[in-house]
Amino acid sequence: EAQVTQNPRYLITVTGKKLTVTCSQNMNHEYMSWYRQDPGLGLRQIYYSMNVEVTDKGDVPEGYKVSRKEKRNFPLILESPSPNQTSLYFCASSLSGSGGRNIQYFGAGTRLSVL
Amino acid sequence: GNSVTQMEGPVTLSEEAFLTINCTYTATGYPSLFWYVQYPGEGLQLLLKATKADDKGSNKGFEATYRKETTSFHLEKGSVQVSDSAVYFCALPPSGGSYIPTFGRGTSLIVHP
Repeated sequence: EAQVTQNPRYLITVTGKKLTVTCSQNMNHEYMSWYRQDPGLGLRQIYYSMNVEVTDKGDVPEGYKVSRKEKRNFPLILESPSPNQTSLYFCASSLSGSGGRNIQYFGAGTRLSVL
Repeated sequence: GNSVTQMEGPVTLSEEAFLTINCTYTATGYPSLFWYVQYPGEGLQLLLKATKADDKGSNKGFEATYRKETTSFHLEKGSVQVSDSAVYFCALPPSGGSYIPTFGRGTSLIVHP
């Protein structure tokens, strides 16, 4: 079954404690991205990756890092989380980053609370 | 750059009522248009899409027509069910040298029995 898998689904942490949210897709997609979803603000893209070792900033990259060492994996790293990073996070993938017909496939989400 | 404007929610309806969720967009050229749906506790999934002007996308009883003249892609359903309760997002793919898709802010739909 084609899917995007995120882990963990729920995470409570404290300010300053480094954490990683993993994301994996099994569709051999080139393009992967991370979003955060906040009430009243909709979806905002944090980072995206066009392919292995190619990453770039989205609309709200501050406080986040990503890496793309393998095509299937795209972890999101918060090196020093702060309370304003409390949010619902989604990983997504699509066949490519260009080509206007590409459908995005989303993970089930990770709800993060930073105390 | 691209932008998508959706009607504010929540939209609250009784079962079997008619649904319209408005979406208008600003974009360079004639991009594909998408509606995604997010059911409670889940990620977004594609509901329907249209790839060119006057195309009608349809799925699960929902329809949306790509209107180039009015730059709109309104979502409609003739008879909603409780199971349609979800958040609906209108979206544009990346274009014009950007690799970042554009999503509307989402419209929450609540359907009562």
